[in-house]
Amino acid sequence: QSVLTQPPSVSGAPGQRVTISCTGSSSNIGASYDVHWYQHLPGTAPKLLIYGNSNRPSGVPDRFSGSKSGTSASLAITGLQAEDEADYYCQSYDSSLSGSYVFGTGTKVTVL
Amino acid sequence: QVQLVQSGAEVRKPGASVKVSCKASGYTFTSYGISWVRQAPGQGLEWMGWISTYNGDTKFAQKVQGRVTMMTDTSTSTVNMELRSLRSDDTAVYYCARDSGRLRYNWFDPWGQGTLVTVSS
Repeated sequence: QSVLTQPPSVSGAPGQRVTISCTGSSSNIGASYDVHWYQHLPGTAPKLLIYGNSNRPSGVPDRFSGSKSGTSASLAITGLQAEDEADYYCQSYDSSLSGSYVFGTGTKVTVL
Repeated sequence: QVQLVQSGAEVRKPGASVKVSCKASGYTFTSYGISWVRQAPGQGLEWMGWISTYNGDTKFAQKVQGRVTMMTDTSTSTVNMELRSLRSDDTAVYYCARDSGRLRYNWFDPWGQGTLVTVSS
């Protein structure tokens, strides 16, 4: 059972903007630990999309952006494209119990 | 380029053990730790544990603590993950991933291609 909650699904037409929320608590996002985002296509390895809350690795289009505030973070995709249809996961660190890295519940993005 | 290559698919019976390997290339192996993440069918990503390739220190998720071992072989730039007392709910694709060297602020990049472990009688 993940400690980071994401909406199960979001959808949008090509060219539209969609956002994915990642809600945590005072032991993870609210404790100032960074949030990172991954794109996961079926049958492939997850791909790092955003690191350190809002930074894009080289090669990731600037259509993807991340932000963080309080105990939550968000991933925005602008100019939605068919190739963006995938599962998206947030990830952070949780200091409760003995501490561990944690992933969000995952969000399926559908391009209509 | 930085790359992680994992061993092939495995099938085990309940109660057995499985070992999955992850061979790194394209960077200084001991400069970054390796985490293992799994995805059961229809489920999300689940972090299992981490190993320091520098000194072998480990940290495991509570869910698998006591059943998992991770070891590093610096001579071959390989990390091995062994999961014991397998159950049907251990059926999953297992990924290794390199961390960013930022301790509690770590992200994972790149990832191995994944290894399907099937537990079935």
